[in-house]
Amino acid sequence: EAQVTQNPRYLITVTGKKLTVTCSQNMNHEYMSWYRQDPGLGLRQIYYSMNVEVTDKGDVPEGYKVSRKEKRNFPLILESPSPNQTSLYFCASSLSGTGKKLFFGSGTQLSVL
Amino acid sequence: AQRVTQPEKLLSVFKGAPVELKCNYSYSGSPELFWYVQYSRQRLQLLLRHISRESIKGFTADLNKGETSFHLKKPFAQEEDSAMYYCALSPNSGGGADGLTFGKGTHLIIQP
Repeated sequence: EAQVTQNPRYLITVTGKKLTVTCSQNMNHEYMSWYRQDPGLGLRQIYYSMNVEVTDKGDVPEGYKVSRKEKRNFPLILESPSPNQTSLYFCASSLSGTGKKLFFGSGTQLSVL
Repeated sequence: AQRVTQPEKLLSVFKGAPVELKCNYSYSGSPELFWYVQYSRQRLQLLLRHISRESIKGFTADLNKGETSFHLKKPFAQEEDSAMYYCALSPNSGGGADGLTFGKGTHLIIQP
């Protein structure tokens, strides 16, 4: 089944403890992206990647890192999480040049205490 | 820079009534517009896009360049339409995929 898989679904951590949220897609998509969803603010893009080894900042990249060493994987790294990074995170992918139909993961609810 | 505005955070209508979710955008070029939907406890998914000129689940949306709008409409609302709806804009109408700009979303509630 074609899908975007995020792990974990739920994560509770403490301030300053490094964490990684994984994202994997099995559709051979070139484009991958991370969003955070907050009440009243909607979806905001954190980082995106046009292809392997090509990443760029979105609207709210501060406090996050990403890597794209393989086409299928696009992990989101929080080196030193803070409470304002408590949010619902979504990974998405699309086949470049097909009109931006994004396929979303099921989300990761992160709470930073 | 592009911007997408959804003026209504919450929209509540009765079953069978017409629905219109508003979306306005600002962009100097020729944008590509989308509607995404998120049903309760499900992932976001594409509902429709303006280039397809299609009707999905009874919903339609017409791009009005003069008014810079892309409102989502359905003549008769159904309870299963209750969801969060996001309007999104892409600055590239050709190839490339450098990210969508999303509106803040409208929570649609269909009352029985």
